[in-house]
Amino acid sequence: EDQVTQSPEALRLQEGESSSLNCSYTVSGLRGLFWYRQDPGKGPEFLFTLYSAGEEKEKERLKATLTKKESFLHITAPKPEDSATYLCAVRESGYSTLTFGKGTMLLVSP
Amino acid sequence: DAGVTQSPTHLIKTRGQQVTLRCSPKSGHDTVSWYQQALGQGPQFIFQYYEEEERQRGNFPDRFSGHQFPNYSSELNVNALLLGDSALYLCASGLGGRLEKLFFGSGTQLSVL
Repeated sequence: EDQVTQSPEALRLQEGESSSLNCSYTVSGLRGLFWYRQDPGKGPEFLFTLYSAGEEKEKERLKATLTKKESFLHITAPKPEDSATYLCAVRESGYSTLTFGKGTMLLVSP
Repeated sequence: DAGVTQSPTHLIKTRGQQVTLRCSPKSGHDTVSWYQQALGQGPQFIFQYYEEEERQRGNFPDRFSGHQFPNYSSELNVNALLLGDSALYLCASGLGGRLEKLFFGSGTQLSVL
C-alpha cells in the first residue's frame, strides 16, 4: 500500500479556473508534509512544509492546507506558468527522509 | 549563493557498465540525500549521507553506493548497470538532522542502453 497517494494524476485547467490537488497519506507519526513543484527535466522546487492539522500556508496563487489524513494544494486563478507537476511528500517520525507521491501533472491553458 | 549542483547533466551508458554521479550541496548545508526518479513517478529515496557516513538507506541493492567528502560534496556510484536504472538521479541537500527543507539539484539524466 502506497504511503502517499496524489489525485488526480493529471489536471487540465483554463487560465483563471481555480481548483485543488489532493494528497492523502497513511504514515503514522507525521513529522512534516511537503509540497514541491517540478518542471520537466528539472529537480523539485520547494513550496511548503506543513506540520500539524489545521495549518495553512500561502504563496502567491497557491495555498496548502493539512488535515490528519490529507493535504490540499489550492490553486486560485491559475496562469499558464503554473503548469508543472506538483509533488507531495511526507516525513515520518524517526526518519529524516521524504516519501513522495507520484505527483499531479497540472496544465493551465491560456 | 549557489544552490545544489549536480554533474553531469546527462549520461548514456550500456548495460554492465559503472557510473559515478556527483553533487555539491547548497552553501552551508552538510547533509546530502540521493533520490531516483523514474519517468512519471515520484522520487524514491536511495540513501543519505551526514558527517561522511551513510545514515539511512532506502530499498536499493548494494550496486548503489555512495560517498561524502569532508567538504560535504557527495558521489553516487552504480555498478553493473541495468536497463531499469535509467532515470533522473536527484541530489538533495539540507542542514543537520532536521531537514525542514530539502533543496534539490536539477539532476543527472541517466540512460542505460
